[in-house]
Amino acid sequence: DQQVKQNSPSLSVQEGRISILNCDYTNSMFDYFLWYKKYPAEGPTFLISISSIKDKNEDGRFTVFLNKSAKHLSLHIVPSQPGDSAVYFCAASAPGDMRFGAGTRLTVKP
Amino acid sequence: NAGVTQTPKFQVLKTGQSMTLQCAQDMNHEYMSWYRQDPGMGLRLIHYSVGAGITDQGEVPNGYNVSRSTTEDFPLRLLSAAPSQTSVYFCASSYGFGDTEAFFGQGTRLTVV
Repeated sequence: DQQVKQNSPSLSVQEGRISILNCDYTNSMFDYFLWYKKYPAEGPTFLISISSIKDKNEDGRFTVFLNKSAKHLSLHIVPSQPGDSAVYFCAASAPGDMRFGAGTRLTVKP
Repeated sequence: NAGVTQTPKFQVLKTGQSMTLQCAQDMNHEYMSWYRQDPGMGLRLIHYSVGAGITDQGEVPNGYNVSRSTTEDFPLRLLSAAPSQTSVYFCASSYGFGDTEAFFGQGTRLTVV
């Protein structure tokens, strides 16, 4: 059962515009959410996270929003840059459990 | 800093063979985890460890064994490889489990024929 879903396999945006990546989850026990970025032939690297007691966390160009009632989170990247082109994974954790979405491939066009 | 080091990077096994995927970290992290990544499924947790001598099962533990004798090392053992274990395997370490960023190795691409 996929408890974390990223329904958009791919997203293409123009350089300088906003990228919005979405993630939905089903398990209400998840209390921490993270986003990872992955380039080909490399391991994922941490991007940003948010605790379930918050609804927004910002770090430079990256902002994560959490809507607990909708069990939905999103990652906003603004402005998008060509170097942001990668696969983005949403992850959710509970004690002893960690689930990842299938990823969204972001392409930022110059 | 080397961070998290996985060996080998690539491996081809025959069905029924055994092997160990190595993982080492130099950040003195208590938590270490193994994941597999399959097309269209993201990463799935196989086993994790909260410290030396302590391991637990994740979402997909069947067919895999782990042990943690030191803080630095967390090997993953396949006792009898099956084609269903063809995947990319990632090891990760972190200060906490799930509530802090994890540092991942570069991955091991395993093919079982």
